[in-house]
Amino acid sequence: LAKTTQPISMDSYEGQEVNITCSHNNIATNDYITWYQQFPSQGPRFIIQGYKTKVTNEVASLFIPADRKSSTLSLPRVSLSDTAVYYCLVGPPGYSSASKIIFGSGTRLSIRP
Amino acid sequence: DTAVSQTPKYLVTQMGNDKSIKCEQNLGHDTMYWYKQDSKKFLKIMFSYNNKELIINETVPNRFSPKSPDKAHLNLHINSLELGDSAVYFCASSQVGGFNEKLFFGSGTQLSVL
Repeated sequence: LAKTTQPISMDSYEGQEVNITCSHNNIATNDYITWYQQFPSQGPRFIIQGYKTKVTNEVASLFIPADRKSSTLSLPRVSLSDTAVYYCLVGPPGYSSASKIIFGSGTRLSIRP
Repeated sequence: DTAVSQTPKYLVTQMGNDKSIKCEQNLGHDTMYWYKQDSKKFLKIMFSYNNKELIINETVPNRFSPKSPDKAHLNLHINSLELGDSAVYFCASSQVGGFNEKLFFGSGTQLSVL
């Protein structure tokens, strides 16, 4: 599966827009990009998934450039409750890929008042 | 109602003991998983079951034995516990199974082996 690289940590303030970028230079043609959020003492929670261009839901937006070698998770107007670890995953659909999924160390986002 | 629930939340035990962690999902999903999160927060899949059938079995010591009595339950039994087994274990489920599906995780079981 494509290796992903994302910042270890980020800090921001309440009300700001936060963008977390994930690099995946060797992404394959049929790979999807998925982001999860994990709060302390909880399991990861699905945030958003995309294949190309832009995807938006009630929580976040995902921007994927044409070459798909990176993706940016955008959190609008963050609050203290957005403090969490954010994981970027890249892989193809199907059982064979599910076994190779590793949630890396993620990006630890800290939101300050 | 909790979608994916696992018990216990915390488990402290001595080396050499045998312990079990239970997991139940009420989402009607066909696939359930066990993941292990180590001290560096890396989360890696251990097992996957689809409709009670073992689909994925990563290189996990055979001291770990999953059991799925029905598709809503996936329990994890660990024999002869070792210090290195200390970690947080997460149960998860998805509709069918596959990378592009949304995974629903339980809140984890923190296992401490002394």
